[in-house]
Amino acid sequence: RKEVEQDPGPFNVPEGATVAFNCTYSNSASQSFFWYRQDCRKEPKLLMSVYSSGNEDGRFTAQLNRASQYISLLIRDSKLSDSATYLCVVNIGGGSQGNLIFGKGTKLSVKP
Amino acid sequence: NAGVTQTPKFRILKIGQSMTLQCTQDMNHNYMYWYRQDPGMGLKLIYYSVGAGITDKGEVPNGYNVSRSTTEDFPLRLELAAPSQTSVYFCASRWGSREQYFGPGTRLTVT
Repeated sequence: RKEVEQDPGPFNVPEGATVAFNCTYSNSASQSFFWYRQDCRKEPKLLMSVYSSGNEDGRFTAQLNRASQYISLLIRDSKLSDSATYLCVVNIGGGSQGNLIFGKGTKLSVKP
Repeated sequence: NAGVTQTPKFRILKIGQSMTLQCTQDMNHNYMYWYRQDPGMGLKLIYYSVGAGITDKGEVPNGYNVSRSTTEDFPLRLELAAPSQTSVYFCASRWGSREQYFGPGTRLTVT
């Protein structure tokens, strides 16, 4: 099992749709979790951190399920500007890779 | 507060040339990272540092070297550039287990 796995993309959705991404992680000692957004030819930018109790920021909701070792990102009322690649990031604590493991990303394309 | 800055933004190298990609952060972060991202692919970690004077290899370190003499700076050195090093290079930093901040990237072409 890969350390961090994301839903294969691309996701093509119409404006106004609700879309959900899942990300699974293999290290049960993982300490913190993040969703990043990356636009084409740009640097990744933090979308939101993921807290144990779940958290919401406007149209975006992130959930963490430690028992099943996955995190999710829900986007409601999709906008054209949401088109991007969404990266799941897990801080595994200790070990190599500077503790951070990136998923390969899921591409979202929102169509008019 | 400029965050993470990288220079240059673009560079074209001939095969066999050398160069240094500069990265500076002004957030007093302890961790710093160098990634490369090939077109349509995910990020690959080249090197990282947990603090001044401490560096370690990532997934793809061959052909690169780093140093971390200060908290703020983490330059990446390419020796004997090869076409396979054509990529976008991102520098990033963070504090502890908190979120990571990325620089805008350096687009490098080796011909």
